[in-house]
Amino acid sequence: NAGVTQTPKFQVLKTGQSMTLQCAQDMNHNSMYWYRQDPGMGLRLIYYSASEGTTDKGEVPNGYNVSRLNKREFSLRLESAAPSQTSVYFCASSEVGQGRYGYTFGSGTRLTVV
Amino acid sequence: KNEVEQSPQNLTAQEGEFITINCSYSVGISALHWLQQHPGGGIVSLFMLSSGKKKHGRLIATINIQEKHSSLHITASHPRDSAVYICATSLDKVIFGPGTSLSVIP
Repeated sequence: NAGVTQTPKFQVLKTGQSMTLQCAQDMNHNSMYWYRQDPGMGLRLIYYSASEGTTDKGEVPNGYNVSRLNKREFSLRLESAAPSQTSVYFCASSEVGQGRYGYTFGSGTRLTVV
Repeated sequence: KNEVEQSPQNLTAQEGEFITINCSYSVGISALHWLQQHPGGGIVSLFMLSSGKKKHGRLIATINIQEKHSSLHITASHPRDSAVYICATSLDKVIFGPGTSLSVIP
C-alpha cells in the first residue's frame, strides 16, 4: 500500500548506544518530517526536509541528526541515546500546498532508552 | 498559553451521541488540520481546511477564521470512533494541539 513506511516499530537501546530510524514514502511528496510524541504533549517537530537536499531543525533537534538520502527516504539518527529520548517517533510526508489530506504519517517507532 | 488548545481534554460518550471537539489557536494559519490517532498509535489525517466546512462520512469539520476556532463534530458516534483527535495549525510551521481523548461506550 502507498504511504509512509517506518522501521523499526520497536527498539530498546542502552544509554550511549546509537541507532538510525528509517523512513520511506512512495507518494512523491517533497516534504518529510520527524516528530516525537511524549505523554501529555503534542507532537513536536525534530527535523524536517522541505525538499530533497535540504534539512532544517525543528522545535527539539538536540541529540538528533537527519539525512534526506533522496526524495523517498529521510532517516533520523541518535548518535548517543539518552533516557530523555524515550518516546514514540513518527515520520510524516506532505505535498506542500496540495492534497485532500495534509499529511501522511508512518506507523511510529516506540523507542525506549534504558 | 499554548498556541493551539483543545477542549475537552478527555471525553466519554454513549454510542449514538453527537460529539463536538473544539480547537482554538492564537497564531496565523494557512490551514488547520484534524488528525485521528487510534489506540494502536497510527495517525491519520482527517481534514485539512482553511475556511468554511468539510464533511466526510459522519465527520464534519468547521473553521471560523475571525474567531480562530475550529470544531470537529462526529454524528451518530460509534465505539470505533474511540481515539485521540488532534488539531494542528500550519503556516510556515505546524503546531499540534495536545489532543482530545475520546471514548465511545456501547
